Amino acid sequence: NAGVTQTPKFQVLKTGQSMTLQCAQDMNHEYMSWYRQDPGMGLRLIHYSVGAGITDQGEVPNGYNVSRSTTEDFPLRLLSAAPSQTSVYFCASSYWSRGETQYFGPGTRLLVL
Amino acid sequence: GQQLNQSPQSMFIQEGEDVSMNCTSSSIFNTWLWYKQDPGEGPVLLIALYKAGELTSNGRLTAQFGITRKDSFLNISASIPSDVGIYFCAGQLEVQETSGSRLTFGEGTQLTVNP
Repeated sequence: NAGVTQTPKFQVLKTGQSMTLQCAQDMNHEYMSWYRQDPGMGLRLIHYSVGAGITDQGEVPNGYNVSRSTTEDFPLRLLSAAPSQTSVYFCASSYWSRGETQYFGPGTRLLVL
Repeated sequence: GQQLNQSPQSMFIQEGEDVSMNCTSSSIFNTWLWYKQDPGEGPVLLIALYKAGELTSNGRLTAQFGITRKDSFLNISASIPSDVGIYFCAGQLEVQETSGSRLTFGEGTQLTVNP
């Protein structure tokens, strides 16, 4: 199993550009989520999905879109990048039973100029 | 929404020392989790706690689920250089069909171990 994979590892964008961060998992997990990590702020939930076709907003959803057309993939779209979106983005997946550990991908480091 | 206060924010210790960090919340959680993040990597689960008062060990790591369900601590005994990293606590309220296994994370404790 590859676990949770994320691409790209690094990305530099100009303000106003759009892009999609890819996330895939091969563990047949129902639950997938996107977090952003900023210094001193821990991980904040952007969007999550409890299954294919079902998504919902997390704590900091503005400026991001998601879709879940398959169990395996959960892409995160930045519609019009802003410098405030400079961050490290992590995708995670799990079965959605109580306490089930979330497996994290290696992260995407995004710089918006 | 729920907030977790994790302390200390950073620690600088000598190899062999014991370490303690904790998380407190204004809300009750049903599950507490402790993760470690190595530089350039995603967080990895260290310990999961499922019952108030539960004390669980994983090698040199020991964690407890506070009796009020609003706090948890993590202890690391006899620290070694590879313990360096950021440690996060996370709380899970309850699993619902609409929200899945949603977690709330603390701000993290940056641990530095001097050989």
